[in-house]
Amino acid sequence: DAGVTQSPTHLIKTRGQQVTLRCSPKSGHDTVSWYQQALGQGPQFIFQYYEEEERQRGNFPDRFSGHQFPNYSSELNVNALWLGDSALYLCASSLGTGILGQFFGPGTRLTVL
Amino acid sequence: DAKTTQPTSMDCAEGRAANLPCNHSTISGNEYVYWYRQIHSQGPQYIIHGLKNNETNEMASLIITEDRKSSTLILPHATLRDTAVYYCIVRPQEKSNYQLIWGAGTKLIIKP
Repeated sequence: DAGVTQSPTHLIKTRGQQVTLRCSPKSGHDTVSWYQQALGQGPQFIFQYYEEEERQRGNFPDRFSGHQFPNYSSELNVNALWLGDSALYLCASSLGTGILGQFFGPGTRLTVL
Repeated sequence: DAKTTQPTSMDCAEGRAANLPCNHSTISGNEYVYWYRQIHSQGPQYIIHGLKNNETNEMASLIITEDRKSSTLILPHATLRDTAVYYCIVRPQEKSNYQLIWGAGTKLIIKP
C-alpha cells in the first residue's frame, strides 16, 4: 500500500502564476482534504472533497480551487500566486468525511518568488 | 472551538518518558482532545484522542485532568525517532464535520 502520494515534491513559481498540485489517496479511501502549512505553523484546512464535490471549506479565497476525479484522486489549484502562498501543501485522505482514520501525505513544498 | 496552549519546545533523554503538557482551559463538555505529531519532512500522524477518561494505545498514553482543563501526552520510552512537533487539538464531537484547528505545537527533541 503506497499510502497517500503527492506530486510534485517541490515547486517554484513566480508571483501571479498559477499552480496545480496533485494527490492520490490511500487505497480504499474516498475523501481528500487539503491543508496549507506555513513555516513554523500548524496546518490550516483549505477544503475537503467527497464524491467529486467540495464538501467543506476553510477560510481561503476563491483563488484556491480543487477537483476530485472518479478514481478519488484530487488536484489543488491556486491562481494569481502571492508571496504569502509559499508553504507546504498537505493532502490527507480518509474513508468518509470524518477526521479519524485520516492519513496525510508528505506534502508539496511551494515557493513563490 | 476551544484553543490550546502548549510549550514551544521540550527536550527529553532517550529511553525516558516524554511528558507533553497541553492547556485547554476553555474546553466544552462535548469537545475531544486529539494529539498528532509531525516528523520533519512528513505529514502529520494521528497519535491518540480522548474525551474524559485516560486513554492508551501502542504509541502513547493520554492523561486528561478531572476538570478537563489540561492533558498530558506520555511517550513511555522515547526514542530518537520520536523527535517531532506534537500538536494538541480540541474539537467538538468525534465524528462531526468540524475540522481541526491546529496551533503551532510543541517541538520535542529526544537527545541521546
